[in-house]
Amino acid sequence: QLQLQESGPGLVKPSETLSLTCTVSGGSISSSYYYWGWVRQPPGKGLEWIGIIYYSGTTYYNPSLKSRVTISVDTSKNQFSLNLSYVTAADTAVYYCARTDGTAAANQYFQHWGQGTLVTVSS
Amino acid sequence: DIQMTQSPSSLSASVGDRVTITCRASQGISNYLAWYQQKPGKVPKLLIYAASTLQSGVPSRFSGSGYGADFTLTISSLQPEDVATYYCQKYNRVPWTFGQGTKVEIK
Repeated sequence: QLQLQESGPGLVKPSETLSLTCTVSGGSISSSYYYWGWVRQPPGKGLEWIGIIYYSGTTYYNPSLKSRVTISVDTSKNQFSLNLSYVTAADTAVYYCARTDGTAAANQYFQHWGQGTLVTVSS
Repeated sequence: DIQMTQSPSSLSASVGDRVTITCRASQGISNYLAWYQQKPGKVPKLLIYAASTLQSGVPSRFSGSGYGADFTLTISSLQPEDVATYYCQKYNRVPWTFGQGTKVEIK
């Protein structure tokens, strides 16, 4: 059974870089059949799509975050990661990693989600 | 970028009521639309994809319809366990934007 688990610091200082890792178990991140992505949710607010990555390293980002976001994949560790630079209090959120149901356009919804991790930006 | 607008933002209905949530795209997205349910303090859960296909294990009281720019999520008979916030998401092309959410409560 596929499981995704986010990990990383729960507290980040303003202007620093937020770094999270999603560890995948019960499946291979090297599979050519899926996209792996990040979604965030500020406290009490809605969901925001951050971006996705393919096992080959191809990425797509939300234009509103593109200048600050990097998503990378480490197939040897079966992990993918999120880096968000120059964070502010507005980046405080629960960050979820997720996997699509496929790579075809008809399957690019998030079928599997991690449990989420709260990251607070504060000095 | 295509914007997704849900209505209403919140609703309160009685157990057994039929509930309808609307999601409108600022441009046509064919049927590349998913609905998610997020119960309080929980992870979003996929309910419907391709606008009308029920994800395995989701109760049949949930249904989706629509094509192009206008979509609906219907709960045919609201149950107490359906208290949640519901989000639509388009995935025809990046960015895969979410709607702002609709909070469903029991009256």
